[in-house]
Amino acid sequence: KAGVTQTPRYLIKTRGQQVTLSCSPISGHRSVSWYQQTPGQGLQFLFEYFSETQRNKGNFPGRFSGRQFSNSRSEMNVSTLELGDSALYLCASSLVPTSGRRTGELFFGEGSRLTVL
Amino acid sequence: DAKTTQPTSMDCAEGRAANLPCNHSTISGNEYVYWYRQIHSQGPQYIIHGLKNNETNEMASLIITEDRKSSTLILPHATLRDTAVYYCIVRPSNNAGNMLTFGGGTRLMVKP
Repeated sequence: KAGVTQTPRYLIKTRGQQVTLSCSPISGHRSVSWYQQTPGQGLQFLFEYFSETQRNKGNFPGRFSGRQFSNSRSEMNVSTLELGDSALYLCASSLVPTSGRRTGELFFGEGSRLTVL
Repeated sequence: DAKTTQPTSMDCAEGRAANLPCNHSTISGNEYVYWYRQIHSQGPQYIIHGLKNNETNEMASLIITEDRKSSTLILPHATLRDTAVYYCIVRPSNNAGNMLTFGGGTRLMVKP
């Protein structure tokens, strides 16, 4: 079956602009998480959605937001872009959120590489 | 959250076993150990996870010490395609869902 699909794969924006990234999870997966990867900070958790509700949020400013639709597809938005927002943004999906004894693997997409000039 | 410590980099000869260590001395009794890897320009890929027993799948084996303070990921016959950054992660014990905390990982270089 198809993997996690992220669009666009590459994009260039300038400071002050806003950007929207899209993620289509694996069919049947209802949990979607977003991560930011930079050379300096590594992989950092942004937020997680399940059943259109944000379940967890990482330590990022309010300029970073997201949402999930009824078909489990998710979007994240970054407003008022800064140079430091240049990064690889990764989306991951799972059947349901990992919780307690219910463990599971995350399936990551190939990411959207954002460059802010 | 339990933190993990991994060597920054390791080399391995093609065809030999790659043994990647991870220290997680502050792990709690109900926290699982996960391993992911990230091949250049791709998203992380799940490898294996375990609680206290050793685990094996088609990709690797996971050996967890009896006191659970450390673990070793074993790739039995490393190939050039196994060159990647390997992350050892301890899943939070609270209801943190899929919020994984990635450290710096180990950059494994498999050489011919």
